[in-house]
Amino acid sequence: DAGITQSPRHKVTETGTPVTLRCHQTENHRYMYWYRQDPGHGLRLIHYSYGVKDTDKGEVSDGYSVSRSKTEDFLLTLESATSSQTSVYFCAISSQLGGTGELFFGEGSRLTVL
Amino acid sequence: GQSLEQPSEVTAVEGAIVQINCTYQTSGFYGLSWYQQHDGGAPTFLSYNALDGLEETGRFSSFLSRSDSYGYLLLQELQMKDSASYFCAVRAMDSNYQLIWGAGTKLIIKP
Repeated sequence: DAGITQSPRHKVTETGTPVTLRCHQTENHRYMYWYRQDPGHGLRLIHYSYGVKDTDKGEVSDGYSVSRSKTEDFLLTLESATSSQTSVYFCAISSQLGGTGELFFGEGSRLTVL
Repeated sequence: GQSLEQPSEVTAVEGAIVQINCTYQTSGFYGLSWYQQHDGGAPTFLSYNALDGLEETGRFSSFLSRSDSYGYLLLQELQMKDSASYFCAVRAMDSNYQLIWGAGTKLIIKP
């Protein structure tokens, strides 16, 4: 299994508070992604990174920011959490963009915003 | 815009064959992927098709027709452990080569 760990795995917070989710990989893969998964939707890309300090927005980036200061860590921050951000968040990594572009996923972080 | 359509739920019998379809609409198509996700788990990669035709990996096969913007995942000799959600995902130029995902098909297998 690809070495990806997400923390925390579960979090309950209140509206308006900041939240940071961490993704740590031991595979030295170049590409890292943050997705959210909600019932009735597939995975939706929030932000992704193609290298240290190189990040870009996905399709649902509003209300989220990311940082990647080291190859192995990709942080997702909700500056002021809202109830609409209650979701399961998945981090993923890949070694290539082309070819199969196979993604390896972490186990997910379940966030509840009250 | 981009869109993917797949059935929300499919039911099949253990030992049988089931096909999960995926139609897509996108510009600059690059490839079609399939992922499996068990309840409470993480998605895992199953297959990838960039060219027309059938790709076989054990009991699972995936098919692509670029001219029809259509693909399917074929699962043979169904086992109870195949009960999961299956997602198709398209990589295309108009999404900056990032995957766009279907909403998933829940496969229910009955003994």
